[in-house]
Parts: sequence; C-alpha cells; structure tokens
Amino acid sequence: DAGVIQSPRHEVTEMGQEVTLRCKPISGHDYLFWYRQTMMRGLELLIYFNNNVPIDDSGMPEDRFSAKMPNASFSTLKIQPSEPRDSAVYFCASSLRGPSSYEQYFGPGTRLTVT
Amino acid sequence: AQKVTQAQTEISVVEKEDVTLDCVYETRDTTYYLFWYKQPPSGELVFLIRRNSFDEQNEISGRYSWNFQKSTSSFNFTITASQVVDSAVYFCALSSLNAGNNRKLIWGLGTSLAVNP
Repeated sequence: DAGVIQSPRHEVTEMGQEVTLRCKPISGHDYLFWYRQTMMRGLELLIYFNNNVPIDDSGMPEDRFSAKMPNASFSTLKIQPSEPRDSAVYFCASSLRGPSSYEQYFGPGTRLTVT
Repeated sequence: AQKVTQAQTEISVVEKEDVTLDCVYETRDTTYYLFWYKQPPSGELVFLIRRNSFDEQNEISGRYSWNFQKSTSSFNFTITASQVVDSAVYFCALSSLNAGNNRKLIWGLGTSLAVNP
C-alpha cells in the first residue's frame, strides 16, 4: 500500500512568494496532520483534520498560513506571503479513526527554503 | 499539562553496544498512549511502537525492547547490539485518551543516536 505522499519534496522560493504544499493521506485514513520541523523548535503540530474538517488549528503560526482539505485524499498547506523564517521541513501525517489506531504515519516531508 | 522529556540530547556508541534511550512523561490523564518514532538521516519519521497506559508489559521486537513503568512515568527504549543503521533521531510522544477524540501528540525533543563502526 502507498504511504503518505507529499509534494514537492523540495521547494526553494523567494520571500514574498506564495508556497503550496500538497499531501495525499493513506487511503482509508480519516485524520490528517500538518507538522513543521526546525532545529530550533523541533516538531510542531500546525493543524489537523478529521473527515476533512479542521479540528485544531491552534498551531498555525499566523494568518499567512492556511490549510484546506477539500476531500478525503488531498490536503494543501499554503503560505502567503512566505518569509525566510518559514524555512523548515513540513510533514504531513495520517491516521485511522479507531480508538486503537492513534499512531500517525508520516510522509517524506517537504523541505522548504525561503530566501 | 502534558509533557514529554527526553533528557539525552545526543548519544554516541560503538557498534554492538547496547543503548537505552530515556523518555519521561507527565500527564494527569488516566488513559493515554505512548509512542516511539525513528527519524533516520533520510528524514522520514517512522512509527516504531504504541503502548497503552493500561498495559505495562514490556515489549520486545528483535533487537528493540521497550520498558514502560507507570510508577516512574517512563517509557524507555533499548537497542541491543546496536548497528550503524540504528543511527537516527528517536522521538518519544504521548497522546491522551481522556480528552475525547483529541488526536494531538505531545512530542519530546528527540535523542540523536550515533552508532559508530
């Protein structure tokens, strides 16, 4: 079975540009998570969805960040406008709904560099 | 408040040594899950194990073993006869089962393990 798919794997952009990161969760998973990882702050949860509905976006750093999940197999994380401090690795993860399925399965990540 | 502490920032061992990665957690919840994840140099995060707070039995999987002790709020991870391929950052995480369907994981900062040949 395919794991979580993220694209692009690497993104280099200039400050002020819009960046869109994409994620396809594992088929059948109904939770989707967006994380950001930096050396300074470690792994931070930005937002997560259940059945395509945002449940907790308290980790979204500011209004420049937005996330959508238009259907069960696709989600986007958008940064507009991007800033150098947004440089990080962004991970998408998904998990099943059941009470014994709390583990999250991660995609390979998107390494974002904003110059 | 919930918290996960991995006091060991970096560990360096020689191949074939046994190594234990410590994880101490804080929670007021009575039911929770604990997790270990591995992040090798390639960058992906790989799920290793989930442990339910009801189950304090230790678990062994090949060279990996996990020691869960509620009395000390610890969930330690031991690699026996370490190999170079075990070099990675290892994360411990906690998820509460009391908070409804909250699926947030509380993450430790990770322990970077270097296994040298």
